[in-house]
Amino acid sequence: QSVLTQPPSVSGAPGQRVTISCTGSSSNIGAGYDVHWYQQLPGTAPKLLIFGDYNRPSGVPDRFSGSKSGTSASLAITGLQAEDEADYYCQSYDNSLSGSVLFGGGTKLTVL
Amino acid sequence: QVQLVQSGAETKKSGASVKVSCKASGYIFTGYYLHWVRQAPGQGLEWMGWINLSSGDTNYAQIFQGRVSMTRDTSITTAYMELTSLTSDDTAVYYCARIRSGWRFDFWGQGTLVTVSS
Repeated sequence: QSVLTQPPSVSGAPGQRVTISCTGSSSNIGAGYDVHWYQQLPGTAPKLLIFGDYNRPSGVPDRFSGSKSGTSASLAITGLQAEDEADYYCQSYDNSLSGSVLFGGGTKLTVL
Repeated sequence: QVQLVQSGAETKKSGASVKVSCKASGYIFTGYYLHWVRQAPGQGLEWMGWINLSSGDTNYAQIFQGRVSMTRDTSITTAYMELTSLTSDDTAVYYCARIRSGWRFDFWGQGTLVTVSS
């Protein structure tokens, strides 16, 4: 079971805004470790979408944004498009285990 | 451009071992750590561990301790992940991924499907 908790699914109509939450604890997000977000399209490898809580790699549209507060982080997607339909994962580091990388359980975004 | 190219799909019997390779190009191989992540069918991402491509030092997730081995051959810029005592629960796509500062994965291999049958 993931130590980073995400909702299993979210949905929205084209053009709408959706958010995906990622809840951790004092040994990971709450300890100040960076949160990163990945987008995984069906049958492909994950792609870095947001790094360092809110930074976008080159080429990622500004419709995608990240934020963090306390022991939680969020990914927001505005102006939903059909091609945004994918699985989204948050990821961080945890200091309670021996150098452990953590992933959230993933959230399936459906564009209605 | 940075590329991580993994070996092809494998089918193994329960109890066997599998070794997946990850050929890196387009950057200084020994300047980074490489991690392995797996994804069972319809499931999420599961971190397996990392290897320091310069020193060869490794760190494995507790659940894989004693069953996984990560190595590299710097002469051919290739990293390897070997998993032993396979069971059907090990059926998954295995990814290698390069890590950058802040523990973010900036480049991923295309994935290698390992199917374990009894």
